[in-house]
Amino acid sequence: GEDVEQSLFLSVREGDSSVINCTYTDSSSTYLYWYKQEPGAGLQLLTYIFSNMDMKQDQRLTVLLNKKDKHLSLRIADTQTGDSAIYFCAENDNQGGKLIFGQGTELSVKP
Amino acid sequence: NAGVTQTPKFQVLKTGQSMTLQCAQDMNHEYMSWYRQDPGMGLRLIHYSVGAGITDQGEVPNGYNVSRSTTEDFPLRLLSAAPSQTSVYFCASIPTEGSLNTEAFFGQGTRLTVV
Repeated sequence: GEDVEQSLFLSVREGDSSVINCTYTDSSSTYLYWYKQEPGAGLQLLTYIFSNMDMKQDQRLTVLLNKKDKHLSLRIADTQTGDSAIYFCAENDNQGGKLIFGQGTELSVKP
Repeated sequence: NAGVTQTPKFQVLKTGQSMTLQCAQDMNHEYMSWYRQDPGMGLRLIHYSVGAGITDQGEVPNGYNVSRSTTEDFPLRLLSAAPSQTSVYFCASIPTEGSLNTEAFFGQGTRLTVV
């Protein structure tokens, strides 16, 4: 079945760049997503990328997709303390809107 | 639009009790899903629905039932609560396939504790 894997923790200093990585198994995924979850809150869509794209940039966020290696990354430039949260990678398996999520990466930003 | 509304926000149950978690959306989305979130395991799909009258099982369906009598509502029923069902539950709705925007909209979550 489909599987999405992420490392669980990442710690960076304020002002540095953060890179959160994700691998997935389903090569038929149409869309790949990054969601952000702040403590006690629901999930907020940060950005998404179509599977026929290699890169997408949106202000401080850069998403890179390597389809050959089934590897997705999210780079946050100039990371701020407000970026501290759990970041989830997810894929759409084209079956009725099912999203398959990774375990989430907890990003800690130190001043 | 209210988006996706989940109730209750918090609930404590005794083992063996039953209850229904409510989820409603006002965006006319066809697809709705229920997930549970446990530490270190991300979000796991419990049940999902591709439209009114149609439901299917996800990754972890045991102990839960769903129904979709209307497009707006997708309740999740715990038949006989067990401590292993202590979790945070999220409902999500997604626009119909073919839409340019496939963002999933999430409710704020229901934190359930079974004692």
